[in-house]
Amino acid sequence: DIQMTQSPSSLSASVGDRVTLTCRASQGISNYLAWYQQKPGKVPKLLIYAASTLQSGVPSRFSGSGSGTDFTLTISSLQPEDVATYYCQKYNSAPLTFGGGTKVEIK
Amino acid sequence: QVQLVQSGSELKKPGASVKISCKASGYTFTSNAMNWVRQAPGQGLEWMGWINTDTGNPTYAQGFTGRFVFSLDTSVSTAYLQISSLKAEDTAVYYCARDSRGTGWYHGYWGQGTLVTVSS
Repeated sequence: DIQMTQSPSSLSASVGDRVTLTCRASQGISNYLAWYQQKPGKVPKLLIYAASTLQSGVPSRFSGSGSGTDFTLTISSLQPEDVATYYCQKYNSAPLTFGGGTKVEIK
Repeated sequence: QVQLVQSGSELKKPGASVKISCKASGYTFTSNAMNWVRQAPGQGLEWMGWINTDTGNPTYAQGFTGRFVFSLDTSVSTAYLQISSLKAEDTAVYYCARDSRGTGWYHGYWGQGTLVTVSS
C-alpha cells in the first residue's frame, strides 16, 4: 500500500507568516490528493482536492500544489483561526490513506 | 443542504458490540459512497473503508477486517458501522464521511462524529 508522510509533524509561526506543509506519497498518485483542516475538538473540513483545487468557501490564503509524489499546502498569511492540524489524503485507489498530520500553532 | 447526523456517544465494556448510525439527508443517498474514519484520542485520522451505497458492497482497509462491518438501510438513508468484540484500543471517535463524487473520492461532507469508549 502507498504510504503518506507529512512534514513537519508540528510547526509554530507568527501571524502573517507564510507557512508551507509537505505531504509525500511513497508511490506516484498523480494529483489525487486532498487536504483537510481539523481544528481542536472539531470535525475535519475539506480544504483542497485534486492537489490544487480550493474547496468552495475556503479562504484564498490557502493553496495547494504538486503532482506525483510530492505535494505542498501553503498558507500565504497565517491567521489565528488557522490553528489546526492539517491532513493530506490520497484517493487514487483504495486504501484512501491519510498522512499523519501537521499541527500548526501560533508563535 | 447535505447533512450527515450520527448517533450519540457509546460506553461499552470489553467484548461487547456497538452499532453506530449515520443518517444522510439533502441528496440522493445511493449516489455517493460512505466512508468511515477513526480517530483515536490524540491521534490522527485513519481511513477504515467505504461502502458503495448503490450496491451495498463494502471495502475495508487493512486492520479493519473481521470485527468491523459496514451496512446500509437505504429506505431511511442511513449507513451503519458495527464493531464486535470491542477492545480498549477501539476507543475513538468514529466519523462517517461522504464521497464528493461516486466512490473512492475525497470526503466533502462529514458527520459530527461518534465517541465510542470501551472500558470495564
